[in-house]
Amino acid sequence: GENVGLHLPTLSVQEGDNSIINCAYSNSASDYFIWYKQESGKGPQFIIDIRSNMDKRQGQRVTVLLNKTVKHLSLQIAATQPGDSAVYFCAENRANQAGTALIFGKGTTLSVSS
Amino acid sequence: GAVVSQHPSRVICKSGTSVKIECRSLDFQATTMFWYRQFPKQSLMLMATSNEGSKATYEQGVEKDKFLINHASLTLSTLTVTSAHPEDSSFYICSARDVGRNPAYGYTFGSGTRLTVV
Repeated sequence: GENVGLHLPTLSVQEGDNSIINCAYSNSASDYFIWYKQESGKGPQFIIDIRSNMDKRQGQRVTVLLNKTVKHLSLQIAATQPGDSAVYFCAENRANQAGTALIFGKGTTLSVSS
Repeated sequence: GAVVSQHPSRVICKSGTSVKIECRSLDFQATTMFWYRQFPKQSLMLMATSNEGSKATYEQGVEKDKFLINHASLTLSTLTVTSAHPEDSSFYICSARDVGRNPAYGYTFGSGTRLTVV
């Protein structure tokens, strides 16, 4: 079946480094993508989103890049901090029988050491 | 901002009993709610999509008779795990979509329910 997958299951960085988390998606019809951060025992926390008609979107310390040609999504975190340590998921808004729903990728664990 | 309240946050039940989890949108009307299940060190797996006033649409492989979903109002959806067994132990997370928000795809997640079946 189609999945929203991730290239790397874990990423370890030093405090202050820039982090890049990647995601590959397979449904070319998906029109909206979101990056979430999840800390242990909590629900997903919205980080940044991007529509399919955009290539790049910037937030505070975070940037999402969308390459529709190769169906690739990335999250860049500038000046990574220990508080950024968590699991990061990309999710795509995909059509289903009931309308649309968010389908999540496998997740990347980001570990930031100081 | 949009808030989704999920209750309880943690529940332990005996095998064979049923457990109900509530998901409420506190400051917006959610015509659509979603239920996910997450096993340790895994991703969120969509179980079902629930439109208010309609029967839930279940994903392939999810037993509708075991996971009963009710979405009777624009602010409340419930998930009942019937005849729970240890393999149903998991982290259950709900999400609500407010189509009136900007951006249009306003998904808000609850804080999750840790179910342990003993």
